[in-house]
Amino acid sequence: KAGVTQTPRYLIKTRGQQVTLSCSPISGHRSVSWYQQTPGQGLQFLFEYFSETQRNKGNFPGRFSGRQFSNSRSEMNVSTLELGDSALYLCASSGGSGANVLTFGAGSRLTVL
Amino acid sequence: AQRVTQPEKLLSVFKGAPVELKCNYSYSGSPELFWYVQYSRQRLQLLLRHISRESIKGFTADLNKGETSFHLKKPFAQEEDSAMYYCALQSTGGSYIPTFGRGTSLIVHP
Repeated sequence: KAGVTQTPRYLIKTRGQQVTLSCSPISGHRSVSWYQQTPGQGLQFLFEYFSETQRNKGNFPGRFSGRQFSNSRSEMNVSTLELGDSALYLCASSGGSGANVLTFGAGSRLTVL
Repeated sequence: AQRVTQPEKLLSVFKGAPVELKCNYSYSGSPELFWYVQYSRQRLQLLLRHISRESIKGFTADLNKGETSFHLKKPFAQEEDSAMYYCALQSTGGSYIPTFGRGTSLIVHP
């Protein structure tokens, strides 16, 4: 079966702009979670969606938001980009018999100039 | 608050040597613990989870609730084990929020 797909894979933005990242989970997985990965902070949880509802949120400012659609696809948005937002953004889906096991996408590498 | 600590950023060993990647956690309830691995140019993927109690690619990890540890071990390291390893904790009740350690880079020299 197809894995978790994230688009775009790479993008460059300037400070103050906004960005939208997309994630298509494994078919049948209803939970989608997002993470920010940086060399200094490692993997940090952003938020998790299940059946179009945000169930949990990490400790990130309100500039970071997301949503999930009825087909379980998810998007995350970062507004008013800052230099410190440069990171690899990972999406993971989970569900079915391996409910707590995360299957990760390849990530979207965001560079903010 | 839940926390996962991987004290070593880098672990360097020779092929055939034993490997132990340390993971300590703090959590007030009964957590579910995982090891995820990221090989060069590959996606982050599950290596093993404590409830499975199985050996994957020769690696094992035992949950020690008394010492709040979940160390990853392999008796004889192989070059293909070189990768980034992340220990992760998920709560088992209510809140879903997963917590990852900072990761340990394992390098196995020939």
